Amino acid sequence: DSGVTQTPKHLITATGQRVTLRCSPRSGDLSVYWYQQSLDQGLQFLIQYYNGEERAKGNILERFSAQQFPDLHSELNLSSLELGDSALYFCASSVSVTASNNEQFFGPGTRLTVL
Amino acid sequence: AQTVTQSQPEMSVQEAETVTLSCTYDTSESDYYLFWYKQPPSRQMILVIRQEAYKQQNATENRFSVNFQKAAKSFSLKISDSQLGDAAMYFCAYRSVDNTDKLIFGTGTRLQVFP
Repeated sequence: DSGVTQTPKHLITATGQRVTLRCSPRSGDLSVYWYQQSLDQGLQFLIQYYNGEERAKGNILERFSAQQFPDLHSELNLSSLELGDSALYFCASSVSVTASNNEQFFGPGTRLTVL
Repeated sequence: AQTVTQSQPEMSVQEAETVTLSCTYDTSESDYYLFWYKQPPSRQMILVIRQEAYKQQNATENRFSVNFQKAAKSFSLKISDSQLGDAAMYFCAYRSVDNTDKLIFGTGTRLQVFP
């Protein structure tokens, strides 16, 4: 158990819908990362937040957005869902940024299926 | 942009034997970090080993060791005394030392362990 929690574990929805994925980082971790793992794109970095502020953006679609709240939990919002959005979405957390031993601890993931 | 390549989609090894998984990367940076992550059927991402590019000494964690060849931009993982529990997907990942901590992953190698 990494200490990072993600809810829900599984999500099945229809095209065009909107969903929210939730992540609680390890106690004391200020940085949260979102990754998408799909069959065709592999594991891709989406976005990073540090202490409530957006820190870095990757290949995140405009239909997707995220935020980190004052209690440091984070939510990833996916809207106008398409079949291709079906994937495993991981959240990871770390203590800070760019420290030499700044290991990212991954949550168990949320499996999203869009029908 | 940095890229990570894993040229072996699948590998197999007999229990108690040794196996080496390959990874190459491309970067113009002189300082960075490299990682191997394990993803068992549970889908949890587990950090196996970490290497700092400025360290010449190869990292070792119990039965896991790396062969880091900075000039060749190669970072292979050696698993000694393979166990059935080592069966998983293994991902090589790269991280810059700039102000983002995003991990750039390879496409993964599926390791099968036979009794």
